[in-house]
Amino acid sequence: NAGVTQTPKFQVLKTGQSMTLQCAQDMNHNSMYWYRQDPGMGLRLIYYSASEGTTDKGEVPNGYNVSRLNKREFSLRLESAAPSQTSVYFCASSGDRRNSPLHFGNGTRLTVT
Amino acid sequence: AQSVSQHNHHVILSEAASLELGCNYSYGGTVNLFWYVQYPGQHLQLLLKYFSGDPLVKGIKGFEAEFIKSKFSFNLRKPSVQWSDTAEYFCAVPSRGGGADGLTFGKGTHLIIQP
Repeated sequence: NAGVTQTPKFQVLKTGQSMTLQCAQDMNHNSMYWYRQDPGMGLRLIYYSASEGTTDKGEVPNGYNVSRLNKREFSLRLESAAPSQTSVYFCASSGDRRNSPLHFGNGTRLTVT
Repeated sequence: AQSVSQHNHHVILSEAASLELGCNYSYGGTVNLFWYVQYPGQHLQLLLKYFSGDPLVKGIKGFEAEFIKSKFSFNLRKPSVQWSDTAEYFCAVPSRGGGADGLTFGKGTHLIIQP
């Protein structure tokens, strides 16, 4: 049972480079999320998708774009990476029942130099 | 907007000590509360959750939490900690009343258990 799978696990970028973080879930969940985790800041929501074809901004969306490719996949794109985007990124999904808990992927550690 | 605050950012305990981590929430709707744990180098895992009913909730690995409505609190407890409990602990509430927009997390408490 894979759950939520993220790729890559690690990435180093130079300022201005672009990249896409991939996320897929096999639990047939409608809702998917991208969070970033920074020391002393907890987890902050970047974008979320309540269902296939819809996306919405979270708390810290600037500098990011997302695509809900299908029900399984939700990607996060950095068009022009900045050092402030150095972080650990987590993808998560949740079921349809109101207030279902989140299931997290293993994270992507991104460093922007 | 919903919010949650965790009082202790770093806690150091010896094995077998009792643990209590504080969490206070600000929430306008039906109260749903979560505790997640993140072991070193791993992703977040659900420890326990409160939706309704008995305010004392039991989770995995001997953890429990008590919902006290009058104090807007949901503190995490464990009677006797082990070295393997070293981790970061996050309290969370639904972001906007329980829709599909996820959870709002506290800033976390880094717990270190000394052998």
